[in-house]
Amino acid sequence: QVQLVESGGGVVQPGTSLRLSCAASGSSLSTFGMHWVRQAPGKGLEWVAMIWFDGSYQHYSDSVKGRFTISRDNSKNTVYLQMNSLSAEDTAMYYCARDSSSSRGNWFDPWGQGTLVTVSS
Amino acid sequence: DIQMTQSPSTLSASVGDRVTITCRASQSISSWLAWYQQKLGKAPKLLIYKASSLESGVPSRFSGSGSGTEFTLTITSLQPDDFATYYCQQYNSYPLTFGGGTKVEIK
Repeated sequence: QVQLVESGGGVVQPGTSLRLSCAASGSSLSTFGMHWVRQAPGKGLEWVAMIWFDGSYQHYSDSVKGRFTISRDNSKNTVYLQMNSLSAEDTAMYYCARDSSSSRGNWFDPWGQGTLVTVSS
Repeated sequence: DIQMTQSPSTLSASVGDRVTITCRASQSISSWLAWYQQKLGKAPKLLIYKASSLESGVPSRFSGSGSGTEFTLTITSLQPDDFATYYCQQYNSYPLTFGGGTKVEIK
């Protein structure tokens, strides 16, 4: 049973950068697509980014395109989210989640417990 | 982008009630729909995929139906553990999108 653990969140100033990590244990992620999903305080879920099983292709929401980069290291069983030019609107709990397929983009299962990013001056 | 609209946004119900949540897509998504349950302070949990397939380990009182643009999540006999927020999600096309959520509260 795979478990996902996010890390790297924290309080940062507007305009700065942060890199989140999502480490898997219990099973390999190498044959699955992976996603980042975020949830602003008191708000609903927002899909952020997806990466194919082999890292060869990525999808992004319009709200983060050009600022965020999703990547993965299958040898470390880890997925990353590099976040640049952060603004207050990026304040949220960030979850990583495994896709049910290698590349299509399907449902998410399982999810990690989340890591909180707060952008504030 | 495909917009997902859930109704109601809040629902008050009692233990044992039958509960139905509706999710409408702004265009046809075939059966490419999932449902999640989220409890306060926790990560979402998958309940239903492909509109009506029950995830392993999820109680059979949960069921999903629909195709095209209209979908429902039904809880046949609400249990104390079911008070939570429920989200639908379409995976017909990118960007993947969620409904706004339905909070099921104790009446």
